[in-house]
Amino acid sequence: GAGVSQSPSNKVTEKGKDVELRCDPISGHTALYWYRQSLGQGLEFLIYFQGNSAPDKSGLPSDRFSAERTGGSVSTLTIQRTQQEDSAVYLCASSLVLTGGLGTQYFGPGTRLTVL
Amino acid sequence: TQLLEQSPQFLSIQEGENLTVYCNSSSVFSSLQWYRQEPGEGPVLLVTVVTGGEVKKLKRLTFQFGDARKDSSLHITAAQPGDTGLYLCAGVVGSARQLTFGSGTQLTVLP
Repeated sequence: GAGVSQSPSNKVTEKGKDVELRCDPISGHTALYWYRQSLGQGLEFLIYFQGNSAPDKSGLPSDRFSAERTGGSVSTLTIQRTQQEDSAVYLCASSLVLTGGLGTQYFGPGTRLTVL
Repeated sequence: TQLLEQSPQFLSIQEGENLTVYCNSSSVFSSLQWYRQEPGEGPVLLVTVVTGGEVKKLKRLTFQFGDARKDSSLHITAAQPGDTGLYLCAGVVGSARQLTFGSGTQLTVLP
């Protein structure tokens, strides 16, 4: 079956511009996560959505970052007024249950964002 | 300060050698996972450990969760070039609803 897909795969933008990153989770997965990964580093949690509950936004680095999930499926991560330090790979993952230690997160291939 | 420290950060070995990667923390984890990530792809789950002292084997890979659930190790026997990748540990602290990832170990196995 289809895995998690993300688009675009690469995005180059100029400092100060807004960008939107899209994530299509695995069908039926109730939980969706966004992470940020700097080159060769671990993943930094940004936000997650679980069903109809309020999202956990505790990992968003600033108010320039926001995300929404429409209809419990597709999610969009928006970065406003991009800065050079926003350059990273943005990864999306989905799972059947909220990760409480036993869930399996399935990751997309990521969107590589470069801010010039 | 990184909640999960991985070591070594980089490891380059010859095919056939054994290696161990470590994941350490001062926090207690209710569960811990290991992932492998290849260039241009997202991480792929290898294993989940939940019980202190637990040992799990996946072919040539052996995973151990520390008795106090603060650390974990990944041992690879007779490494092969196909094992090359970024190995990441990730844990859940208490009842937290998110994974905390380590900084990763970049493994290169030379033929």
